[in-house]
Amino acid sequence: QQQVKQSPQSLIVQKGGISIINCAYENTAFDYFPWYQQFPGKGPALLIAIRPDVSEKKEGRFTISFNKSAKQFSLHIMDSQPGDSATYFCAAKEYGNKLVFGAGTILRVKS
Amino acid sequence: EAGVAQSPRYKIIEKRQSVAFWCNPISGHATLYWYQQILGQGPKLLIQFQNNGVVDDSQLPKDRFSAERLKGVDSTLKIQPAKLEDSAVYLCASSLIGRTQETQYFGPGTRLLVL
Repeated sequence: QQQVKQSPQSLIVQKGGISIINCAYENTAFDYFPWYQQFPGKGPALLIAIRPDVSEKKEGRFTISFNKSAKQFSLHIMDSQPGDSATYFCAAKEYGNKLVFGAGTILRVKS
Repeated sequence: EAGVAQSPRYKIIEKRQSVAFWCNPISGHATLYWYQQILGQGPKLLIQFQNNGVVDDSQLPKDRFSAERLKGVDSTLKIQPAKLEDSAVYLCASSLIGRTQETQYFGPGTRLLVL
């Protein structure tokens, strides 16, 4: 059972463009929604996170938009750079700090 | 601050053999997690420890997988016997305890190939 659905599977964006990755969830008990960035051969690293009482959170070029009623959240990467090329995972936290991850989006930023 | 350490980084074994992975979490992190990441998928939690007690092992295939965290610090994950479908990256992560301390810090992972 896939509790967090992520799309698209892969994304190609021109340098300077906006990258958008979407996630949807079903479990209303989730109370924390992080995005992780993973480079080849490395473990995932926290990029940005949001709680469900906030509709948007921005950190530099990265923004999370959160729609509680639709049970959807998305990551926007503004002014995308080649160094942003990585795999991005959305996740949702349930009881006991247990994270459920989406399947991942492979982002390639073309220079 | 040193990150989460894992070893070995790579392991190739034949099916039905056994293998063990080691993890050293960030100093002071009471919670430790083992994840399985199959190629093309997101990490899946196998087991979660708080100090040296198991919090969640609902997705651990207990007929072949075992894990321990002696003294609440280092942890080992063992597979015995391995199957072809166990080929994956095994990630260890750690975190502090507390509602605002959800951030999980991941190690580089151990890439396992079962032939």
